[in-house]
Amino acid sequence: SYELTQPPSVSVSPGQTASISCSGDKLGDKFACWYQQKPGQSPVLVIYHDSKRPSGIPERFSGSNSGNTATLTISGTQAMDEADYYCQAWDTSTYVFGTGTKVTVL
Amino acid sequence: EVQLVESGGGLIQPGGSLRLSCAVSGFTVRSNYMGWVRQAPGKGLEWVSIIYSAGSTYSADSIKGRFTISRDNSRNTLFLQMNSLKAEDTAVYFCARDSTGGHYFDSWGQGTLVTVSS
Repeated sequence: SYELTQPPSVSVSPGQTASISCSGDKLGDKFACWYQQKPGQSPVLVIYHDSKRPSGIPERFSGSNSGNTATLTISGTQAMDEADYYCQAWDTSTYVFGTGTKVTVL
Repeated sequence: EVQLVESGGGLIQPGGSLRLSCAVSGFTVRSNYMGWVRQAPGKGLEWVSIIYSAGSTYSADSIKGRFTISRDNSRNTLFLQMNSLKAEDTAVYFCARDSTGGHYFDSWGQGTLVTVSS
């Protein structure tokens, strides 16, 4: 079965850039998306189709996908961005989630 | 306004059955891909099942043969029938919408907790 691997944690200082990787076999040949989940809340879509932002998502969230790795970048990170982030892709009728990354804003 | 509201969770003994419901408003379940995603306590997201607008269904290997996804178009409601429940099925179950068929979930419910324990 298809697997997506993320680093367990990423730390970033306020105002700096956070990058979260998501690795999977030939992931660049698929579309990747990203969700943000804060404690006790439902996930929120922040990036879809590799790099598109849904309405209402701040411009500081961006995405890319190439080769075996998709990347979510948060520019000018704010305290409110502290959350868990999950990548997700689709493979042969299966929705696959990444292992998740906890972003801490120090 | 798009809303998804899950219900039906609770405490159930191993081997038991439970049916989750997801009542939606602001759109129709029959015109969208609708799915269930679960999250065990302190763990990550795990996709459970999907029903396409045309009616075909797909499920994760971990629940195949035990869980069944369905919808009632007249009630605009999504269901997840869960049988032969195991302790490892304990999780918050979210219903979610894939509105474009683009294989990502753009709207989520608040979740309902299922606890499988004796």
